[in-house]
Amino acid sequence: DIQMTQSPSTLSAFEGDRVTITCRASQFIFSWLAWYQQKPGKAPKLLIYKASTLVSGVPSRFSGSGSGTEFTLTISSLQPDDFAIYYCQQYNGYPVTFGQGTKLEI
Amino acid sequence: DVQLVESGGGLVQPGRSLRLSCAVSGFIFGDNAMTWVRQGPGLGLEWVGLIRGKPDGGTTEYAASVKGRFTISRDDSKRIAYLQMNNLKTEDTAVYFCVRGGEWELPDWGQGTLVTVSS
Repeated sequence: DIQMTQSPSTLSAFEGDRVTITCRASQFIFSWLAWYQQKPGKAPKLLIYKASTLVSGVPSRFSGSGSGTEFTLTISSLQPDDFAIYYCQQYNGYPVTFGQGTKLEI
Repeated sequence: DVQLVESGGGLVQPGRSLRLSCAVSGFIFGDNAMTWVRQGPGLGLEWVGLIRGKPDGGTTEYAASVKGRFTISRDDSKRIAYLQMNNLKTEDTAVYFCVRGGEWELPDWGQGTLVTVSS
């Protein structure tokens, strides 16, 4: 199975900060990576797919980059609505696997 | 608008069975793969498995942790996806999400249904 490792596990930041979350794959996955945002009691929401393609309607302060085994999610200027848990997901092969999550908190 | 509504969750004893349903609207159900993802209490996301759409043969894939115990099926005429869970274990306790998609990214999620396995 492809292991996905996110860092950090928890990130403390302030409104207006620029933050970056890293996701590393245990095997080469090309650009078959997605990022999700999850708020308490809610389903995850797809933000980015194919490593860097922003889903329609997602604010442009979110961006993704990387390929192969190392990927990043960047939020350029944190807004109050961005404090949540973020997950990466690889879909290069089965089983599909998720990172363990990064909790973004104030 | 795409909508996915799960049902069938609840409290069940270890070793028993439960069937979850996912009723969908807002997209061409038969052409889409459907995926189940679960999230244990306070834990991260775990992929359970998927069923491909009819154009792709309607075949299934499963996580090792559920293979042989869980079965995903679909009724395209009713626009419902199912997750049959047999021989349930306490570690299967989770919120189960139904998701449109499966071969690629997962764009549309249901609200989830809670399954608690406990004696």
